[in-house]
Amino acid sequence: DAKTTQPPSMDCAEGRAANLPCNHSTISGNEYVYWYRQIHSQGPQYIIHGLKNNETNEMASLIITEDRKSSTLILPHATLRDTAVYYCIGIFTSYGKLTFGQGTILTVHP
Amino acid sequence: GAVVSQHPSWVICKSGTSVKIECRSLDFQATTMFWYRQFPKQSLMLMATSNEGSKATYEQGVEKDKFLINHASLTLSTLTVTSAHPEDSSFYICSAPFDKTEAFFGQGTRLTVV
Repeated sequence: DAKTTQPPSMDCAEGRAANLPCNHSTISGNEYVYWYRQIHSQGPQYIIHGLKNNETNEMASLIITEDRKSSTLILPHATLRDTAVYYCIGIFTSYGKLTFGQGTILTVHP
Repeated sequence: GAVVSQHPSWVICKSGTSVKIECRSLDFQATTMFWYRQFPKQSLMLMATSNEGSKATYEQGVEKDKFLINHASLTLSTLTVTSAHPEDSSFYICSAPFDKTEAFFGQGTRLTVV
């Protein structure tokens, strides 16, 4: 499995961009980078995933370095409801078995 | 996106009793589902893989006789915590893979054993 490393916590002001980093230096060539988040006492919510190219959807953007050893999840305009634990996952099998690390606690403050 | 529903959302039971948790994929079929457990301030830990039509696969350290898993149909998996004890109190979450690229999670079940 690709080991991922994330900062334990981050703060962000409401309305500003939140940039959450993730190191996955052992990721293999066919492993995707997935991001999920978990709001308190709820199940994880899918955000975005990517392989090599940068990706964007209605929730966030994902920037993957050229060597694929790290990535950054960008929430362009953070709101209070974005306060959650964000998980970067460096392995995803074809049948959905996910290995969660400790994640980053993002706190968005007014 | 696809929806995975868990029931109940929370349950309180007496020590020694059994509790059943249901996980349903509402608008897609799932031959495989996954059960996770999460203790306070910790990450999700995979407990077992539920396979439709065959036995579940348990992760190391998870007692298969205590956590009974039945994948009764292509849209339903159940987790039964047998002879529950206070140390089994936790947040149980199921997930189902979708389209080979995503996994959708249930809302979780908070189990409290008193």
